[in-house]
Amino acid sequence: QKEVEQNSGPLSVPEGAIASLNCTYSDRGSQSFFWYRQYSGKSPELIMSIYSNGDKEDGRFTAQLNKASQYVSLLIRDSQPSDSATYLCAVITGRRALTFGSGTRLQVQP
Amino acid sequence: DAGVIQSPRHEVTEMGQEVTLRCKPISGHDYLFWYRQTMMRGLELLIYFNNNVPIDDSGMPEDRFSAKMPNASFSTLKIQPSEPRDSAVYFCASSWGRDTQYFGPGTRLTVL
Repeated sequence: QKEVEQNSGPLSVPEGAIASLNCTYSDRGSQSFFWYRQYSGKSPELIMSIYSNGDKEDGRFTAQLNKASQYVSLLIRDSQPSDSATYLCAVITGRRALTFGSGTRLQVQP
Repeated sequence: DAGVIQSPRHEVTEMGQEVTLRCKPISGHDYLFWYRQTMMRGLELLIYFNNNVPIDDSGMPEDRFSAKMPNASFSTLKIQPSEPRDSAVYFCASSWGRDTQYFGPGTRLTVL
C-alpha cells in the first residue's frame, strides 16, 4: 500500500463548477497535510496546509481533513481553466519530510 | 526574494559521466530537500538537511548518489557514474521548519 494515494485522473470539470480532489494516507501518525499545484514543466507550489480535523478555507480553495478516516481533500470552487494542473497531496509523518502522492490531473473545460 | 536557485536548468550527459547539480536555498531557511521526479515514480524525496546536517538519506537510490551542504547557502547533489535510468527532473526545496517548502525550478537531467 502506498503511503499517500491519489486518483491519477484526469478529473474533468466545466468552468465554474466545483472540483473535488481526494487523497488517503496510510500512517495514522501523520500530523501535517498539504496540497501542492504543479503546472506542466514547472515546480510544485504550495496551495494549502491543514493540521487539524475539519475545513480550512482560503479564497476559492477549501482543504478538508478527517484523521479518523485518514482522508484529506481539496475543493476548488468556481473552477477556472487556469486551475488546470496536477494537484499533489503531501503528508509529514514523524521525522520524515514530505511524502507526496502521485498527483491528480485536473482539466477545467472552458 | 530570489527564491530557490538551481543550476544548471538542463543537463545532457553520457552514461558513466559525473553529474553535479547545485542549489542555493532561500536565505534564512534551515531545511533543504532534494527530490527527483519521473513519470513512473512521481516525486520522491532523496535526502534532506537541517542546519546543513543530513537528517534522512534513506531515499538516495544507491552509492552512486551523494549530497553535501557545506554551508547554509549552498548544496550539491552528485551522481557518479550516471546511468540512463537517472534521467529525471531534480528539484531542490527549502523551508523554515519542515513543512512549508518552496521549490526551485528544477534541473532536467538526461543521461544518454
